[in-house]
Amino acid sequence: DIQMTQSPSTLSASVGDRVTITCRASEDISRYLAWYQQKPGKAPKILIHKASTLESGVPSRFSGSDSGTEFTLTISSLQPDDFATYYCQQYNSYFWTFGQGTKVEMK
Amino acid sequence: EVQLVESGRGLVRPGGSLRLSCVASGFTFSKYAMVWVRQAPGKGLEWLSTMSGSGGSTYYAGSVRGRFTISRDDSRNTVYLQMNSLRVDDTATYFCAKDGGRGVDYWGRGILVTVSS
Repeated sequence: DIQMTQSPSTLSASVGDRVTITCRASEDISRYLAWYQQKPGKAPKILIHKASTLESGVPSRFSGSDSGTEFTLTISSLQPDDFATYYCQQYNSYFWTFGQGTKVEMK
Repeated sequence: EVQLVESGRGLVRPGGSLRLSCVASGFTFSKYAMVWVRQAPGKGLEWLSTMSGSGGSTYYAGSVRGRFTISRDDSRNTVYLQMNSLRVDDTATYFCAKDGGRGVDYWGRGILVTVSS
């Protein structure tokens, strides 16, 4: 199975900060990577697919990039609504895998 | 508007069985693969199973293969997850989800399943 290693597990930041979360795949996933945001007690929400394509309605402060098997989610200027947990997920294989998650908390 | 609504009994004994249902609306159900994902309390997301839009193909995570079975009834716009030989570590919120071809584009609210004696 493809392993997705996400880091950091927790990130403390302030409103206005630039935030970066990284996800590394154990093998080539041909950019078939999605990023999700999840708030407590809620289902996840997709933010980005195909590594860098922003979903409709998602603020432009969110962006995705990649280099080989390393993928990055960036929030250019953290807003109060962005404090949440973020997950990467590969869908290159029929056997999907998620990263372990990154909790973005208030510093 | 796309809606996915899970249902099923919430508490089951270790070794027991449970079937979850998920009724979908707002899209052409038969055309899309459907997925089950779970989240143990305080933990991350775990993909469990996918069934193709045709129903001809199924895929399972190693943790549930041989114990869980995904199925669908396109006439009822419903996907099921039959869970057998349940263990305490199967305790989680179970999400039904639609495979949008780019990951999950729609999620249900989730249903808490507790496995406890």
